[in-house]
Amino acid sequence: EPEVTQTPSHQVTQMGQEVILRCVPISNHLYFYWYRQILGQKVEFLVSFYNNEISEKSEIFDDQFSVERPDGSNFTLKIRSTKLEDSAMYFCASSVGLATNEKLFFGSGTQLSVL
Amino acid sequence: GDSVTQMEGPVTLSEEAFLTINCTYTATGYPSLFWYVQYPGEGLQLLLKATKADDKGSNKGFEATYRKETTSFHLEKGSVQVSDSAVYFCALKKANFGNEKLTFGTGTRLTIIP
Repeated sequence: EPEVTQTPSHQVTQMGQEVILRCVPISNHLYFYWYRQILGQKVEFLVSFYNNEISEKSEIFDDQFSVERPDGSNFTLKIRSTKLEDSAMYFCASSVGLATNEKLFFGSGTQLSVL
Repeated sequence: GDSVTQMEGPVTLSEEAFLTINCTYTATGYPSLFWYVQYPGEGLQLLLKATKADDKGSNKGFEATYRKETTSFHLEKGSVQVSDSAVYFCALKKANFGNEKLTFGTGTRLTIIP
């Protein structure tokens, strides 16, 4: 089965530094997502992206966050100035379409630790 | 807002035991309901889904029935195996375009002992 690939699997950074989390969605998928899970808490939606623009974002996704699809294959999440509370597992996902019962394909996640 | 509440983990069972992981939801309208599973070192994978009341989703011996009257979608399996050890996530998705996000529960870690 095709896979969503995320790199790196672990990222350690200092507070205030910029990080870029990378994802390669499945090649024929059109919709892209970032979710995150802080340890012990729920998996939370951050943002969805379609046709080179954000289609929906949560209140978590403030001005410190941005997403980009720079080259038609990668899908990146940038955190401009990391905070301690950004430490979490970040999951990228993609889907072919938007139907209610549409299956999302998730990557294995990037564990971000902000020190 | 919409929310999903899952049974607290971790859950440890012996092989061939019966499994239930409870999931209840709060949502307006008529959401679709999902169970995702995350095996060690892998991404979340769709396990099963149900899109309307009384639908039963099933896959790999797991089942869950969409109960609108109790707003529940409990996951069950009659005889678990060691290979079922994973984290299980209940989730919902609203039935309207332009609202693509999944709302997840906290996940339940399941460990099966031989």
